[in-house]
Amino acid sequence: GIQVEQSPPDLILQEGANSTLRCNFSDSVNNLQWFHQNPWGQLINLFYIPSGTKQNGRLSATTVATERYSLLYISSSQTTDSGVYFCAVKGKAAGNKLTFGGGTRVLVKP
Amino acid sequence: GAGVSQTPSNKVTEKGKYVELRCDPISGHTALYWYRQSLGQGPEFLIYFQGTGAADDSGLPNDRFFAVRPEGSVSTLKIQRTERGDSAVYLCASSLTGILAGGPGDTQYFGPGTRLTVL
Repeated sequence: GIQVEQSPPDLILQEGANSTLRCNFSDSVNNLQWFHQNPWGQLINLFYIPSGTKQNGRLSATTVATERYSLLYISSSQTTDSGVYFCAVKGKAAGNKLTFGGGTRVLVKP
Repeated sequence: GAGVSQTPSNKVTEKGKYVELRCDPISGHTALYWYRQSLGQGPEFLIYFQGTGAADDSGLPNDRFFAVRPEGSVSTLKIQRTERGDSAVYLCASSLTGILAGGPGDTQYFGPGTRLTVL
């Protein structure tokens, strides 16, 4: 099946810093979503972005489908940005399920 | 409600017992998914419903796991003869459509999960 790799696995930031999270995938996709899992375990939708660029406040994402990667940018990080960020894809040959990467664990220190 | 809801939020059971986990999807969403998340890992797919039928159950680990969605809305995940290795957070998601080709209606929204502990 499709493979999804996220980097870095862990990230420690000072409040106010910017960061970039990366998601590589091994095959063509119909769907790519970025999620933030907060400390209470809730998966929060950040972006639906199988291709192109989107921005929402301090967050933005870019997916280059032809090169099989996506980037999530966090600007001016806040302590509430702490948690685990997951990239999940639906492979074109993989039915209707999302395959998740291993996540990037982000800790923003005050 | 506005989002996906799951009950119970926590379930503790003994090895060998039967459990049922419930999922209420977002109103009007035709597709429903179950995933399982073990500690420190990303969620893993279990089963997908389009309407009342299980369109893909390839992620169910064995025949002790079964899920239903009899009226095309609420779904129940059933686990028989629970084992300690079944301990995990069980997540439910729904999407407006379940079109293979994708599109914004394919966005999956997740519930808060049920934390299952098998002693």
